[in-house]
Amino acid sequence: GNSVTQMEGPVTLSEEAFLTINCTYTATGYPSLFWYVQYPGEGLQLLLKATKADDKGSNKGFEATYRKETTSFHLEKGSVQVSDSAVYFCALKGIPNTGNQFYFGTGTSLTVIP
Amino acid sequence: EAQVTQNPRYLITVTGKKLTVTCSQNMNHEYMSWYRQDPGLGLRQIYYSMNVEVTDKGDVPEGYKVSRKEKRNFPLILESPSPNQTSLYFCASSQRRGVSVETQYFGPGTRLLVL
Repeated sequence: GNSVTQMEGPVTLSEEAFLTINCTYTATGYPSLFWYVQYPGEGLQLLLKATKADDKGSNKGFEATYRKETTSFHLEKGSVQVSDSAVYFCALKGIPNTGNQFYFGTGTSLTVIP
Repeated sequence: EAQVTQNPRYLITVTGKKLTVTCSQNMNHEYMSWYRQDPGLGLRQIYYSMNVEVTDKGDVPEGYKVSRKEKRNFPLILESPSPNQTSLYFCASSQRRGVSVETQYFGPGTRLLVL
C-alpha cells in the first residue's frame, strides 16, 4: 500500500542554517508528492509539489526533488529564517486508479532560533 | 476570498452525544475530504468525496459518517462520540481534473474533546 515516512523531529536550527527534512515513500506507480507547512494554530498550506519523477518543486526558498530511484522527496532550504518555524508534512497522492486518497507523514517540527 | 470554513472551531462534548462538524468551501471544488491529526500519527484521512452524492472511506472511517448533498458542504457526523475521537479535525477541498485531484486547501481545524 501507500505510505510516507519522514524524519522524526523536533529539529532546532540557528537562523541562516541549512535545512534538510527527509521524506521517503512507498507507492504503487507514480504518485504525486507534496510538502505542506502548518504554522501554529493554523491549517495546512501547500508549500510545494512534484507530479512526476525528476520534477523539482520550489517555493519561498524551499526545494524538493522527486527521486523515483530512491523513492524520496527530501525538503531543503539553504538559509532558514525564524519565520520558517512550523511543522512540515510530506504527503503523497495515489494515482487515480488506486483512488484519490492522500497519505501524510507524521510531521517534523522545525524551530529556528535567532 | 477563497477559503474552507469549519464550525465549530472548538468543541467539548460527552460520550455518546451526537455531533456534527460543518465544512464549507467557496471555490466550487469537486473534491472534499476530512482528516484527523493526532500527535505522532500525523494526518489520517477519514472520508473523502469526489463529487455530490459520492463518498469513499479513507484510512480511519470507523465511528464517523459524512454526507455530500451539496457541492460546497461536507459535514462530518459523529453519531456516538467516544474519547478516542478526541482529536484535531481538518476539512480540505480540491479541484478535480478528470479522474485526478489537484492540490488541497485546508480549513482552520476543529479541536474536539470527548469526555
